Amino acid sequence: GQQVMQIPQYQHVQEGEDFTTYCNSSTTLSNIQWYKQRPGGHPVFLIQLVKSGEVKKQKRLTFQFGEAKKNSSLHITATQTTDVGTYFCAASGAGSYQLTFGKGTKLSVIP
Amino acid sequence: KAGVTQTPRYLIKTRGQQVTLSCSPISGHRSVSWYQQTPGQGLQFLFEYFSETQRNKGNFPGRFSGRQFSNSRSEMNVSTLELGDSALYLCASSFRSTEQYFGPGTRLTVT
Repeated sequence: GQQVMQIPQYQHVQEGEDFTTYCNSSTTLSNIQWYKQRPGGHPVFLIQLVKSGEVKKQKRLTFQFGEAKKNSSLHITATQTTDVGTYFCAASGAGSYQLTFGKGTKLSVIP
Repeated sequence: KAGVTQTPRYLIKTRGQQVTLSCSPISGHRSVSWYQQTPGQGLQFLFEYFSETQRNKGNFPGRFSGRQFSNSRSEMNVSTLELGDSALYLCASSFRSTEQYFGPGTRLTVT
């Protein structure tokens, strides 16, 4: 089945530093979604990317979808303590309704 | 709109017992997916229902089953519980199998 690899598994940053998590697949993805899960909470949808090379921004968050639609990244500029949580990418293959999640990147922000 | 609700929120069961978890999706959402979340394996897809039909099933044993009712509410059942079934079970609903809205989850502990 569809597999997505997400790195790094953990990231500790000083508040104000930037953060990036990467998601890779060996197969072409029809779309990729990003979710955030706060400690003790449930995943919350952030964004969906569909087009090759697509770049979307949400305030300090920048999401990219690779040209080959096999990789994606989430970049946070100037992290804040409110950014703490685990960030997941999730992808579905062509014609599939099954969403496969990466293992997630757990972000800790040191104030 | 009210969010996705799951009942019960917490459950403690003994090995060999069975359990039924319930999920009420956001009004108007016809797709319901179930996930198992554990620290070691992350978010793993169990199955997805749309208009009472199972469209996809993840790689879980037959002890895990589910169904969806005409009002889109869904249940999942786990029979002959094992210690390894202890996890957070998350339900997510979506309108057209796009972004998923997760419920708070059911924390199942098997002793």
